[in-house]
Amino acid sequence: DAMVIQNPRYQVTQFGKPVTLSCSQTLNHNVMYWYQQKSSQAPKLLFHYYDKDFNNEADTPDNFQSRRPNTSFCFLDIRSPGLGDAAMYLCATSKGSQSGQPQHFGDGTRLSIL
Amino acid sequence: AQSVTQLGSHVSVSEGALVLLRCNYSSSVPPYLFWYVQYPNQGLQLLLKYTSAATLVKGINGFEAEFKKSETSFHLTKPSAHMSDAAEYFCAVSDWAGNNRKLIWGLGTSLAVNP
Repeated sequence: DAMVIQNPRYQVTQFGKPVTLSCSQTLNHNVMYWYQQKSSQAPKLLFHYYDKDFNNEADTPDNFQSRRPNTSFCFLDIRSPGLGDAAMYLCATSKGSQSGQPQHFGDGTRLSIL
Repeated sequence: AQSVTQLGSHVSVSEGALVLLRCNYSSSVPPYLFWYVQYPNQGLQLLLKYTSAATLVKGINGFEAEFKKSETSFHLTKPSAHMSDAAEYFCAVSDWAGNNRKLIWGLGTSLAVNP
C-alpha cells in the first residue's frame, strides 16, 4: 500500500542535542508537510514543501529546519531541542495544491527531551 | 482568513447511541472541509471530505457529514457508536498559504464511548 512512513516512532534526545526526524512517502505527492502536535491539541503546521519550494510558517522557531532531498524524503532538523519541543511530530503529504486534496499522514514520531 | 470551530472539546456517548460532533466554519468563499480521526499515538486518518459536490458526504467507518451553507456547519454523525470509535476528531478547512494550500484545524473533540 502507498503510504507515509515516519522513523523512528519514538525518539529520545538530550536538551540541546541536535535531532533529525525522517519521513518518506510512496504516494509520489508534490507537497510534504511537517506538523508539531502537543498533547490534546490540534496539529500546528511548521512548514511545507511544494516540490522543492520551501514554505515556512511565520511563527515557526528558527530552531526548526527542514530538508527535502528528493520527492520521497523529507527531514525535520531540530538544532537545539528545548524541553518545550517535546511533542508528536507528524509528516503529511498531498497531491499538489488543488482545492480539495486531502492530506495523508504518517503515524508520527514522538519526541522526548531529557 | 478561514477558521473552524468545534463545539465541545469532549463528547461522551453510550455504545449504540448516535454520535454528533459539531463543526462550524468561517469562509468568504466556498469551503473545502475535512474530518479527520486520530487514535492514541497515531497519525490522523481522513474520515471524509466536502468539495462542493453532494452536501451529504459519506465517509469511512459509518460516519457521514452534512454541509449546510445557511448554518455554516459541517457536523459529523454516526447512527450507532462502537467502542472502537473512541478517539480524537478534528474538523479542518482548506485555505491558501502563498501559492499552496494548507489546512486550518479546529481544536478537536475527544469522543468517549461508554459500554
